[in-house]
Amino acid sequence: GIQVEQSPPDLILQEGANSTLRCNFSDSVNNLQWFHQNPWGQLINLFYIPSGTKQNGRLSATTVATERYSLLYISSSQTTDSGVYFCAVQPTQGGSEKLVFGKGTKLTVNP
Amino acid sequence: DSGVTQTPKHLITATGQRVTLRCSPRSGDLSVYWYQQSLDQGLQFLIQYYNGEERAKGNILERFSAQQFPDLHSELNLSSLELGDSALYFCASSVGGGLYTGELFFGEGSRLTVL
Repeated sequence: GIQVEQSPPDLILQEGANSTLRCNFSDSVNNLQWFHQNPWGQLINLFYIPSGTKQNGRLSATTVATERYSLLYISSSQTTDSGVYFCAVQPTQGGSEKLVFGKGTKLTVNP
Repeated sequence: DSGVTQTPKHLITATGQRVTLRCSPRSGDLSVYWYQQSLDQGLQFLIQYYNGEERAKGNILERFSAQQFPDLHSELNLSSLELGDSALYFCASSVGGGLYTGELFFGEGSRLTVL
């Protein structure tokens, strides 16, 4: 099946710093989503971005489907940005509609 | 608030017992997905229903079963529980059921602890 690799696995920042999280996937996809799992376990939708670039406040994302990667940018990080960021993809092949998740990037933002 | 409702939020039970987790999808969504998140396995897809019918199956154990009812809510039944079944169980919903399902939205999860 499709492989989804996220990097880095762990990231520690000082408040106000910028960061880039990467998601590589091994096959073509119909759907790509970024989620933030907060310390309480909630999975919060950040972006639905099978291709192109989107921005939402301090966060933005870019997916280059032809090169099979997506990037999540976090600017001026805040302590509330801490948590785990997941990339999830829906592969084109195989007829499956499920989302396949990467292992996540654990972000810690220190005050 | 994603619009997906899961109950209960927390559940503590003993080995060998059976539990039922409930999920109400967002209004208008026809697909329901169940995921399991454990510390060592990450987020694993269990099963998907679309408009009452099973659509896809993942790594779901035979001790687990699910269904989607005519009002589109779904239940995940876990039986003969083992310590290793302790996990966070998520339900998600989406509008579509074909290859282009659209965006998935997740509920807050049901945290199951098996003692």
